[in-house]
Amino acid sequence: DVKVTQSSRYLVKRTGEKVFLECVQDMDHENMFWYRQDPGLGLRLIYFSYDVKMKEKGDIPEGYSVSREKKERFSLILESASTNQTSMYLCASSPIETLNTEAFFGQGTRLTVV
Amino acid sequence: ELKVEQNPLFLSMQEGKNYTIYCNYSTTSDRLYWYRQDPGKSLESLFVLLSNGAVKQEGRLMASLDTKARLSTLHITAAVHDLSATYFCAVDIWSQKLVFGQGTRLTINP
Repeated sequence: DVKVTQSSRYLVKRTGEKVFLECVQDMDHENMFWYRQDPGLGLRLIYFSYDVKMKEKGDIPEGYSVSREKKERFSLILESASTNQTSMYLCASSPIETLNTEAFFGQGTRLTVV
Repeated sequence: ELKVEQNPLFLSMQEGKNYTIYCNYSTTSDRLYWYRQDPGKSLESLFVLLSNGAVKQEGRLMASLDTKARLSTLHITAAVHDLSATYFCAVDIWSQKLVFGQGTRLTINP
């Protein structure tokens, strides 16, 4: 059974803290993604990675960075958390482009910044 | 910039009725996904639509794709309470880089 695991379901952090959200997949997928989900906006892509040590900005990268040191792990970093980063964060992975490829999502991390 | 719009955003319906959720997108793509999300849960893949005219069915749900009209539909037949969830469509820009619609919150009442 495919699995994408996010390290925390719920997090509460203070404004200005550095925050790490971790994601691990066990499917040997090349592609990994970080999205944030907000009511009425759907999911928006923050960053993605197609290979180890490779990263690309998505649609809303401001205030975030990422790290991919190993193929199975993709970390999202909030350098200095702010209240407008309170959201649900979803990690996803997928194999490299093939017919019928699809992305698999983790269970999500609900982050509250106070 | 690719925009994906779902319609309606909220839908309340009775068990046994039929209804359709629409997903319009603004630029060319021949790969579209439908996902389901239950409250507090992650996204579950429902359908992968890969070409113009693609139609897929699973139980009471049927999805179709018209790439010329840039439109996908998710049709619900004889709705049951278990189908209550939020449904998202997502358009693949390139290699699983997805642009999502806003989501349609579906509530099915007994």
